[in-house]
Amino acid sequence: QKEVEQDPGPLSVPEGAIVSLNCTYSNSAFQYFMWYRQYSRKGPELLMYTYSSGNKEDGRFTAQVDKSSKYISLFIRDSQPSDSATYLCAMSVSGGSNYKLTFGKGTLLTVNP
Amino acid sequence: GAVVSQHPSWVICKSGTSVKIECRSLDFQATTMFWYRQFPKQSLMLMATSNEGSKATYEQGVEKDKFLINHASLTLSTLTVTSAHPEDSSFYICSAPRGGRQHYGYTFGSGTRLTVV
Repeated sequence: QKEVEQDPGPLSVPEGAIVSLNCTYSNSAFQYFMWYRQYSRKGPELLMYTYSSGNKEDGRFTAQVDKSSKYISLFIRDSQPSDSATYLCAMSVSGGSNYKLTFGKGTLLTVNP
Repeated sequence: GAVVSQHPSWVICKSGTSVKIECRSLDFQATTMFWYRQFPKQSLMLMATSNEGSKATYEQGVEKDKFLINHASLTLSTLTVTSAHPEDSSFYICSAPRGGRQHYGYTFGSGTRLTVV
């Protein structure tokens, strides 16, 4: 079993739709959870960052972490064509500044006008 | 804030030559820098972790003599691909903990597309 599982998609939705992206993980030591957006041929851009369980909202984006289920989600409201990108979940254990990220494979999202 | 500047954004080189990629933290001190490689339509693969003033730690299967990493200062880390071959063609990305601390997430450079001909 991989440490982080993410459905690669592709996922295609109409403009204005609510998008739900998910990852599951197996390592109960993960404490930091992140969502990144990556456009083609660009470096990943940090969208949301959460420590431990709970919800976090930033504009049209909401991140949820359920540590009991080892499940994290990213919701995008009122999706726009500019949201079309690959979304990567990432997580790490706690402690110090040099703990590496473990990534999901990424979900390719297309928002159609 | 928490910007990592990566250069060059793309490079084409001849087989057998060496290529250096630079990552600079512009507004924070990056005591740690992670170097990734990404193939088309795949996720990021961690190659190595560099710490300022010490030797880099390489992931299993990554040739440390081929991918030389130097982290001589708190704001600069470099990756040199030595004696590059076509199979080294890939997208290379660096990343550092924002503000130098894990608690603020990790920021990435814009990536370098290397093509070896």
